Amino acid sequence: GAVVSQHPSWVICKSGTSVKIECRSLDFQATTMFWYRQFPKQSLMLMATSNEGSKATYEQGVEKDKFLINHASLTLSTLTVTSAHPEDSSFYICSAIRGGGTSGYNEQFFGPGTRLTVL
Amino acid sequence: KQEVTQIPAALSVPEGENLVLNCSFTDSAIYNLQWFRQDPGKGLTSLLLIQSSQREQTSGRLNASLDKSSGRSTLYIAASQPGDSATYLCAAKQRQLTFGSGTQLTVLP
Repeated sequence: GAVVSQHPSWVICKSGTSVKIECRSLDFQATTMFWYRQFPKQSLMLMATSNEGSKATYEQGVEKDKFLINHASLTLSTLTVTSAHPEDSSFYICSAIRGGGTSGYNEQFFGPGTRLTVL
Repeated sequence: KQEVTQIPAALSVPEGENLVLNCSFTDSAIYNLQWFRQDPGKGLTSLLLIQSSQREQTSGRLNASLDKSSGRSTLYIAASQPGDSATYLCAAKQRQLTFGSGTQLTVLP
């Protein structure tokens, strides 16, 4: 099956610093990737859709200046949490569609997640 | 706006039992429906994907059904094992995936 990796798997940072999380599709090209966040005992909430070579599309309520997304290549998307605060502590999960495009019939593959703790 | 609901929120069964997890969605205009497994502190593992034109998919002891007209999907787990303990999420695909809140399954040895 298709593999999506995330790095780092966990990170602890001080309040006010910025943290970058990488999402890679290891064995396929992904023109579209997604970033989710998950609070304890809750489901995944979509933050943004990352499109290779263009600006990300953010969901309502997600601050685009705080959560910077860069989809620089067909296999890499990054999420940078700028000026992180304790309330940003969460589990961040990325996902990629194999086959490209936006066809709803293409399966999404998920990364293992990154646990962010802001002190 | 699509809403996905999973019932029950938690379920505890003895090993060997067959069980059914339920998922309902409000908008039947979906491309597909997926079932995932999530272990504590881990990412998602895709279990089964049912395209909108299909009625069910099977993988080993798992069987998922889809009834678009009624907005329902079920995940059937046969002969449950302690290793099946995890949170099971369903997600309906339209422009994006909308997730249910999950069913936390505990299989007691």
